[in-house]
Amino acid sequence: AQKVTQAQTEISVVEKEDVTLDCVYETRDTTYYLFWYKQPPSGELVFLIRRNSFDEQNEISGRYSWNFQKSTSSFNFTITASQVVDSAVYFCALSAEGANNLFFGTGTRLTVIP
Amino acid sequence: SAVISQKPSRDICQRGTSLTIQCQVDSQVTMMFWYRQQPGQSLTLIATANQGSEATYESGFVIDKFPISRPNLTFSTLTVSNMSPEDSSIYLCSVEDLGKTHNEQFFGPGTRLTVL
Repeated sequence: AQKVTQAQTEISVVEKEDVTLDCVYETRDTTYYLFWYKQPPSGELVFLIRRNSFDEQNEISGRYSWNFQKSTSSFNFTITASQVVDSAVYFCALSAEGANNLFFGTGTRLTVIP
Repeated sequence: SAVISQKPSRDICQRGTSLTIQCQVDSQVTMMFWYRQQPGQSLTLIATANQGSEATYESGFVIDKFPISRPNLTFSTLTVSNMSPEDSSIYLCSVEDLGKTHNEQFFGPGTRLTVL
């Protein structure tokens, strides 16, 4: 069974602070994919990153970085120098190889205060 | 990535009525999916829309309540039938092109439904 846990329901930070959003997953599959999506107040879901289970290299894209640790089944997301436009709900998701379903965590609502 | 549009973007409906939501993609895609996001909740997969055959429903969702069509590789509809206030949610269409972006799903803007 697949499960994604985002223990942080809501986080507030002041602009320019760094913030890390936690994601812990459970799966019995050896090949799987991890995702992060952003859902701003407008409601659309914006794809941020996909990671496969064989690639544990950390990734950086501008102010965003992701830390994939298979040993702890975690795929954490860090925003450096946060901005007001980063305010959104962020979802971590998991899918298994060959499966259609994306299993979503419950999301973390990030508020960046000016 | 594909450009996905949904109609309507939002609607307010009366209990007992039905609403059909359209999802249009600007390119042919292999897979199309429908998700529901209840207020303050995460996303749950309703079904996979199969081109030319009946949709594949997830546990807890049935065809009578959520009939789905997919007449071609760029278009799908989801109908929410005999609505009740519990159906108030955001309904999202997503697509995946197995030939290009395996296991990457991109989402439409969503349809925000309120049932009175």
